[in-house]
Amino acid sequence: DSGVTQTPKHLITATGQRVTLRCSPRSGDLSVYWYQQSLDQGLQFLIQYYNGEERAKGNILERFSAQQFPDLHSELNLSSLELGDSALYFCASSVNPSTDTQYFGPGTRLTVL
Amino acid sequence: AQKVTQAQTEISVVEKEDVTLDCVYETRDTTYYLFWYKQPPSGELVFLIRRNSFDEQNEISGRYSWNFQKSTSSFNFTITASQVVDSAVYFCALSERISNFGNEKLTFGTGTRLTIIP
Repeated sequence: DSGVTQTPKHLITATGQRVTLRCSPRSGDLSVYWYQQSLDQGLQFLIQYYNGEERAKGNILERFSAQQFPDLHSELNLSSLELGDSALYFCASSVNPSTDTQYFGPGTRLTVL
Repeated sequence: AQKVTQAQTEISVVEKEDVTLDCVYETRDTTYYLFWYKQPPSGELVFLIRRNSFDEQNEISGRYSWNFQKSTSSFNFTITASQVVDSAVYFCALSERISNFGNEKLTFGTGTRLTIIP
């Protein structure tokens, strides 16, 4: 158990819908990262937050957004869902945004029908 | 751009055999970190090791060992006396600086699916 929690574990929804994935980092970690794992793209970095502020963006679609709240939990919002958005979404956390090991949560498996 | 190559897509070995998973990376950074993560069938990503680019000493942890060679840009992972519980997908990853704040993301290889046959 990494100490990073993610909810829900599974999510099944329809095209065009909007979902929110939630992540709680390890105690003491200020930095949160979101990654997407899909069959065709592999594991890809989406976005990073540090102590409530967005610090870096990767291959994140405009339909996707995220935020980190004062209690340091983070939410990833996915809207206008398409079939291709079906993937495993991971949240990771680390103490600092650079050089520290990122510990991953169990992931949320999103299925878009 | 940074790149991590895991040329072995799938490997199957009989239990108790030794197996080595290859990882080759490309980076322009002089300081970087290399990682190995394990993804068992349950799906989570489990951290195994982090290696600083300035530390080329090999590391051993139980049945696991890692060989880092900067000259060949490789960071290989060996499992000795494999067990069925080692069956998983293993990912090699490279840290990449992505902002002036010093933030880093991980660039992952495509993974190697290891199956240990009882």
